[in-house]
Amino acid sequence: AQTVTQSQPEMSVQEAETVTLSCTYDTSESDYYLFWYKQPPSRQMILVIRQEAYKQQNATENRFSVNFQKAAKSFSLKISDSQLGDAAMYFCAYNPDKIIFGKGTRLHILP
Amino acid sequence: DSGVTQTPKHLITATGQRVTLRCSPRSGDLSVYWYQQSLDQGLQFLIQYYNGEERAKGNILERFSAQQFPDLHSELNLSSLELGDSALYFCASSEGGGAGGYTFGSGTRLTVV
Repeated sequence: AQTVTQSQPEMSVQEAETVTLSCTYDTSESDYYLFWYKQPPSRQMILVIRQEAYKQQNATENRFSVNFQKAAKSFSLKISDSQLGDAAMYFCAYNPDKIIFGKGTRLHILP
Repeated sequence: DSGVTQTPKHLITATGQRVTLRCSPRSGDLSVYWYQQSLDQGLQFLIQYYNGEERAKGNILERFSAQQFPDLHSELNLSSLELGDSALYFCASSEGGGAGGYTFGSGTRLTVV
């Protein structure tokens, strides 16, 4: 079965510091896409960053970057210079043909 | 505004009743997806439509059904509602298979009492 595992239900980070959220996935596919979505208290699902499995270069979007290890089936999200507005639930997601979500990591930002 | 419109935003109904949730995809998107998010849980895939046809099915209960109309809007019908059906129901859309990710609506909060 295709699954996405986020082993950290909750994390906290000091404002302006860097935090890394972990994600692993299980697949037999060779071509797929990976995403991190953010869900703030408003409950809106917001796409943070995406990665194509056939690209070795790690994706970066401003303060957000990923560490994609295809052989290890690992896809972690690094948030640099954490801001109060980054507080949210973060979902790792995998798309071989439809998006499958992990259970999420709740990120708290400490002022 | 993401471009995906879901109505209603909130719905309160009694057990045993039937409700219809509506979704209009972002302009140009042919695929529509429905997800269920129970309290503080991840999103569970229910069903996908592409240009009016069912493309994929997840763990959707038999009491639930959906369709996509010629104008590409979609409806999710939930019947014989139970307390456990209380959840946030998201609709999302994409151009094709969603390689660029899905655009989500703001969700419909369903409360069954």
